[in-house]
Amino acid sequence: GAVVSQHPSRVICKSGTSVKIECRSLDFQATTMFWYRQFPKKSLMLMATSNEGSKATYEQGVEKDKFLINHASLTLSTLTVTSAHPEDSSFYICSAGGGGGQETQYFGPGTRLLVL
Amino acid sequence: QQQVKQSPQSLIVQKGGISIINCAYENTAFDYFPWYQQFPGKGPALLIAIRPDVSEKKEGRFTISFNKSAKQFSLHIMDSQPGDSATYFCAASRASGTYKYIFGTGTRLKVLA
Repeated sequence: GAVVSQHPSRVICKSGTSVKIECRSLDFQATTMFWYRQFPKKSLMLMATSNEGSKATYEQGVEKDKFLINHASLTLSTLTVTSAHPEDSSFYICSAGGGGGQETQYFGPGTRLLVL
Repeated sequence: QQQVKQSPQSLIVQKGGISIINCAYENTAFDYFPWYQQFPGKGPALLIAIRPDVSEKKEGRFTISFNKSAKQFSLHIMDSQPGDSATYFCAASRASGTYKYIFGTGTRLKVLA
């Protein structure tokens, strides 16, 4: 139980284009979803927290107009990187809470984004 | 006050040995402490978690020891195996409100065959 999927697993795009990453909780309803960014050999950096049906809450320093988050249902959240630039290249990971207990986050497998 | 300090940064253990990773927190409002295992190119996977009402929790070869007065908790991996070679992250959160995690900096464990 408590499985979270992400799609795509990796994506290469040209600078200036937008990329959408999907995060789905497959076997539970996720009342809260989180989006993280991880640089090589570094810890996870929380970008934003989203609750179904409401606006996402962004961490300090994260541009909300650049990283658009939509939490349309209790099983789906999307992150759209708009007008991507090479510095946006990173490993993006989502997590979902509400599976085994509200406080436990279950992570997706991550999405590797490379912006050329 | 929001930091979680994790040590060591890297750890090399012989097969069959005990791996010990330590974390310390400052915010006494934290009341949920999970540990995650991450392999390269993969998302973190929950290993074990503890709340401050117990001092120890064991699941298979993994044990969390929790010292509330010292604001420290540690992960012990017994009988470490080469397949345990991964990066381990501790985290702390409040089991209410936003449930945001504060992650430690990670420990890269290598278990020698």
